[in-house]
Amino acid sequence: GNSVTQMEGPVTLSEEAFLTINCTYTATGYPSLFWYVQYPGEGLQLLLKATKADDKGSNKGFEATYRKETTSFHLEKGSVQVSDSAVYFCALIRTARQLTFGSGTQLTVLP
Amino acid sequence: NAGVMQNPRHLVRRRGQEARLRCSPMKGHSHVYWYRQLPEEGLKFMVYLQKENIIDESGMPKERFSAEFPKEGPSILRIQQVVRGDSAAYFCASSPKGEFVDSSYNEQFFGPGTRLTVL
Repeated sequence: GNSVTQMEGPVTLSEEAFLTINCTYTATGYPSLFWYVQYPGEGLQLLLKATKADDKGSNKGFEATYRKETTSFHLEKGSVQVSDSAVYFCALIRTARQLTFGSGTQLTVLP
Repeated sequence: NAGVMQNPRHLVRRRGQEARLRCSPMKGHSHVYWYRQLPEEGLKFMVYLQKENIIDESGMPKERFSAEFPKEGPSILRIQQVVRGDSAAYFCASSPKGEFVDSSYNEQFFGPGTRLTVL
């Protein structure tokens, strides 16, 4: 079956530090890949997506590249802000209409 | 344009009671998905519905849980005889259509969730 494994948290960084959150997946065929962000007390918001190999998704300074050879979709940001503090979820979708999520990574950015 | 609406936002029930969670999809969306987030875990798919039809309920527990999406009104997730293990955040998402063709994707828009606490 499909599965997503992402970096254990929590992650604590200082403002303007570089962020990487690792995500690897297992799926048959060619899934689409996503990063969602969940701010405290809120629902999930789509942060970025990539639908085929070598695609790069980007939004709000975050980037992730779909690497089929390593089955990875690592999230990166060059300079984090306090407002980026949230839980980040990696997810995939294949032919079924259900999203498969990783367990989430809590990010805290300190001023 | 209002987003996906869920109510109540917080629900407290005692063991053995029933819980009803409501989800109103975005305007123009006819497909609804329910996910459950247990403490310290990611979201797990429960059920996918279209108007008056359950399309995929492979993630639903076999007993006590049911879902519907009537022709009129919100989608309802119903949990009968709740137990402490049902305490979780329940998220609803909607999309304009559910077909998945090739590499395209119809984005699922999430509501703020209902946090169920079973005492």
